[in-house]
Amino acid sequence: QQQVKQSPQSLIVQKGGISIINCAYENTAFDYFPWYQQFPGKGPALLIAIRPDVSEKKEGRFTISFNKSAKQFSLHIMDSQPGDSATYFCAASMRTGANNLFFGTGTRLTVIP
Amino acid sequence: GAGVSQSPRYKVAKRGQDVALRCDPISGHVSLFWYQQALGQGPEFLTYFQNEAQLDKSGLPSDRFFAERPEGSVSTLKIQRTQQEDSAVYLCASSPGLAGSATGELFFGEGSRLTVL
Repeated sequence: QQQVKQSPQSLIVQKGGISIINCAYENTAFDYFPWYQQFPGKGPALLIAIRPDVSEKKEGRFTISFNKSAKQFSLHIMDSQPGDSATYFCAASMRTGANNLFFGTGTRLTVIP
Repeated sequence: GAGVSQSPRYKVAKRGQDVALRCDPISGHVSLFWYQQALGQGPEFLTYFQNEAQLDKSGLPSDRFFAERPEGSVSTLKIQRTQQEDSAVYLCASSPGLAGSATGELFFGEGSRLTVL
């Protein structure tokens, strides 16, 4: 059973456009929601993360929006660049209990010049 | 080293062979995780170590999978009698904090790609 559901599977955006990736979860015990970026042949790398006590977090061109009541969170990439082309994974974990991150299935983003 | 190092980067095994995958975490990192990433999928948790103690192995898919971290640094994931469904990228990650601090950043290696023929 997929703990974190991610969409879309793939996304093509023009340079300068906004990329939006959505995730949803069911387990209300989750209290940490990171996004990881993965380039081909590389391991995932942390991009940005949020905790449920805030509804939005922005770091440069990357913003996480978090809706606790809907159990949804999304990644917005503003002014998308070709160098942003990668696979993006949302994830979730809890402070107690499970010792691991539950990842979504990934979104392959392609930014075309 | 500067990051998490994994070896071999690529491994081809015949069905039934045993394989061993090595992970060198970032020096001083307490927590070490192994994940399995199938083609086109997100990483899936296999096991977690806090120093030398394996505190969670709930994600290991079968008793053919075994992991160890005897001195609390380097870890080895061993797969016995490999099967085709074991083909995947095996990712190692380390973190300076303790888990339930899978609430902290995980630093991933580049992975070991296993292909079982």
